[in-house]
Amino acid sequence: GAGVSQSPSNKVTEKGKDVELRCDPISGHTALYWYRQSLGQGLEFLIYFQGNSAPDKSGLPSDRFSAERTGGSVSTLTIQRTQQEDSAVYLCASSSRRGVGQGAGEQYFGPGTRLTVT
Amino acid sequence: DAKTTQPTSMDCAEGRAANLPCNHSTISGNEYVYWYRQIHSQGPQYIIHGLKNNETNEMASLIITEDRKSSTLILPHATLRDTAVYYCIVRVVIPYSSASKIIFGSGTRLSIRP
Repeated sequence: GAGVSQSPSNKVTEKGKDVELRCDPISGHTALYWYRQSLGQGLEFLIYFQGNSAPDKSGLPSDRFSAERTGGSVSTLTIQRTQQEDSAVYLCASSSRRGVGQGAGEQYFGPGTRLTVT
Repeated sequence: DAKTTQPTSMDCAEGRAANLPCNHSTISGNEYVYWYRQIHSQGPQYIIHGLKNNETNEMASLIITEDRKSSTLILPHATLRDTAVYYCIVRVVIPYSSASKIIFGSGTRLSIRP
């Protein structure tokens, strides 16, 4: 079946502009995650949506970052007034409800959006 | 989630077994050990996970020490395509519930030499 998709694959924007990044999770997956990865660095957790619960926003680096998930499916990560340090690959992942012995907790990652702020 | 410690980099000859260690000395009883890998320019890929017992699947084997304070991921016959950054993570998993967030460390950069 279809995996996690993200759009756009690449985005170049000028400093100070707002950007929106989109994630389409695997159909039926109730959990959705956003991470970012700067060049040569590990993954940095940003935000996590689980069903209808309030999202875990503990990883968002500043109030310029926000995310929403409409209808429990598609998610949009918005970065306002972009800065050069926001340049990174933004990765989305989703996971489903499963029993412990069935790959529980396995996250499926999308290909990412490479954001470059000039 | 408990913190993990991995070597920054390792290398292995093609065709040999690659053994990637991970220390998780503060792991608690309900935390699982997960391994992901990230091949250059791709999103991370799930490999395997376990709680207490050793696990094996088509990709790898996971050996967890009896005290659960460390584990080893084994790629039995490494190929050039196994060159990637390998992440060891420990986290709580609630059965029949979507998992909580993953905190990724810096991982081990594994290079497979011909």
